[in-house]
Amino acid sequence: DADVTQTPRNRITKTGKRIMLECSQTKGHDRMYWYRQDPGLGLRLIYYSFDVKDINKGEISDGYSVSRQAQAKFSLSLESAIPNQTALYFCATSDPRAANSPLHFGNGTRLTVT
Amino acid sequence: GQNIDQPTEMTATEGAIVQINCTYQTSGFNGLFWYQQHAGEAPTFLSYNVLDGLEEKGRFSSFLSRSKGYSYLLLKELQMKDSASYLCAVRGRMDSSYKLIFGSGTRLLVRP
Repeated sequence: DADVTQTPRNRITKTGKRIMLECSQTKGHDRMYWYRQDPGLGLRLIYYSFDVKDINKGEISDGYSVSRQAQAKFSLSLESAIPNQTALYFCATSDPRAANSPLHFGNGTRLTVT
Repeated sequence: GQNIDQPTEMTATEGAIVQINCTYQTSGFNGLFWYQQHAGEAPTFLSYNVLDGLEEKGRFSSFLSRSKGYSYLLLKELQMKDSASYLCAVRGRMDSSYKLIFGSGTRLLVRP
């Protein structure tokens, strides 16, 4: 089955370190997204990309950057990690051709910043 | 502003019916989604409503009233595996395009 794959699944890092979370998909979708999930706050949009040359900030982009290396790959970077970036991060894709197209999520990356 | 409200937790009994409500206030509206999320796992799509009324899909149904900014997810014949969080998400206008805005989720506990 077509998939959205995130690596790593878990990561512990120290304050001030640079870290990259990677996402690849085999669904052939043009649109890709990065969300973070915190207890009691739901999913919040960090960045999104509608095609390879398109990058847009979401609700909470400060402290993050992204790169859309190809249609299938969308990576999220934390240039200098801080403890309040500890969260569960999800990559997602969607198909713009269907109005009712839902988001398809990867399995998540649990990031802990100490 | 954008706001989506749903109860934080609900408890129900195996075999029963439960209704999870969602109210929303968003800039623009272009559809409402319900997702199921088991602890530590990815959200999975359950249902989509864009017009008023009820959409039924097996044991799950979802209702929408756009004039009231209100939706509910109805789960029938509850099973233990239905214990999960249920996320209401509205496609609202953010900047110059539509994005999914998520509620905080409702954690459902199904008891024997």
